Amino acid sequence: AQSVTQLDSHVSVSEGTPVLLRCNYSSSYSPSLFWYVQHPNKGLQLLLKYTSAATLVKGINGFEAEFKKSETSFHLTKPSAHMSDAAEYFCVVSDGYGGATNKLIFGTGTLLAVQP
Amino acid sequence: GAVVSQHPSWVICKSGTSVKIECRSLDFQATTMFWYRQFPKQSLMLMATSNEGSKATYEQGVEKDKFLINHASLTLSTLTVTSAHPEDSSFYICSAIKAATRSRETQYFGPGTRLLVL
Repeated sequence: AQSVTQLDSHVSVSEGTPVLLRCNYSSSYSPSLFWYVQHPNKGLQLLLKYTSAATLVKGINGFEAEFKKSETSFHLTKPSAHMSDAAEYFCVVSDGYGGATNKLIFGTGTLLAVQP
Repeated sequence: GAVVSQHPSWVICKSGTSVKIECRSLDFQATTMFWYRQFPKQSLMLMATSNEGSKATYEQGVEKDKFLINHASLTLSTLTVTSAHPEDSSFYICSAIKAATRSRETQYFGPGTRLLVL
């Protein structure tokens, strides 16, 4: 069965410093992986997704993630944090082959705080 | 585009009453919508898949008679929590995929509804 583990429930960074949110996955085949962000009172928004193309995936708002099969990781990074990045971030794996029946499996989330 | 709304954003009800939560796709048609539940400090868990014009598909362990789902139009799905009890208190989130999209991987999420049952 597919699963994701987000290693940190809370991460705090200073504005302008790098962001690293860690995610490890478990999958019996090449997975589709996603990062979603949820701002207060807003719906989850897709930041980026990996679907077996380039291992370094660029997303919106300057975020990127690198798929590392040897480490079963899909960590989310951003070179310089902005106050508006403060939100909850979810690492997600698809349990299928991208077809009409697969489900999204969510991690427990990482709350990112950005200090001025 | 691709905005999903939920109403209400939060609700408090007495134990034993029923609560209806609406999920609407505002600027697209959605033949399939999903209902998730999130307990504090836990993952979003898929409860059921709502298909327009047909019966919902429930995940294992989710009581279909307790969580009634209706998807009567291409832009609206409702979740009714019947005879709610305090253990049903949770954050309910819906998502939708655009009609004619075969993959379920691109889902658009609503902002969620927080339910508190006293």
